[in-house]
Amino acid sequence: AQSVTQLGSHVSVSEGALVLLRCNYSSSVPPYLFWYVQYPNQGLQLLLKYTTGATLVKGINGFEAEFKKSETSFHLTKPSAHMSDAAEYFCAVSEGSNDYKLSFGAGTTVTVRA
Amino acid sequence: GAGVSQSPSNKVTEKGKDVELRCDPISGHTALYWYRQSLGQGLEFLIYFQGNSAPDKSGLPSDRFSAERTGGSVSTLTIQRTQQEDSAVYLCASSRDRGYSPLHFGNGTRLTVT
Repeated sequence: AQSVTQLGSHVSVSEGALVLLRCNYSSSVPPYLFWYVQYPNQGLQLLLKYTTGATLVKGINGFEAEFKKSETSFHLTKPSAHMSDAAEYFCAVSEGSNDYKLSFGAGTTVTVRA
Repeated sequence: GAGVSQSPSNKVTEKGKDVELRCDPISGHTALYWYRQSLGQGLEFLIYFQGNSAPDKSGLPSDRFSAERTGGSVSTLTIQRTQQEDSAVYLCASSRDRGYSPLHFGNGTRLTVT
């Protein structure tokens, strides 16, 4: 079975500063990893995903994440925060392509200070 | 194209009443999922449909919860004899296929049991 831990339930950053959201996972087989974003009163949207191949993946809105197998991590970063990045972010894992069930982390709420 | 549609967007019900939550997935998506998002918690998997079949119902919290899907399309989640702990946002998602296909989420139904 897989599980996801997101470090920090709340992150506050200044506009223009680096955004770093931490995600660690456990999985018994090579994982597929995802980051989703949820804006207020909306459903979740896929930011980016890692399946196979290049370990640095780029997503929408300038976000990127790096899969580090040795650290079992998939941290999300954005070099320069924008006010519109204020949202809740969820890391998720599935056990490869044959698993239909995503396990989600508890989420990290990002606030951006002007 | 149209995304995943859920109705109602908000539902307030009295304890002990039954409720039905509806999900219209993206046309052509064979996989459909129900998740529950409780305050301060991550997403909890409830049930997965492949076509009209539900190979995995393991996330349903109790026998008061049931779901069906008809015509490989619309799904209904039914909660009988609602309890206050059922209060949450119920999210539906669909994907083209299971596994690595990204999930497309609806905006959810916020259920409040008074």
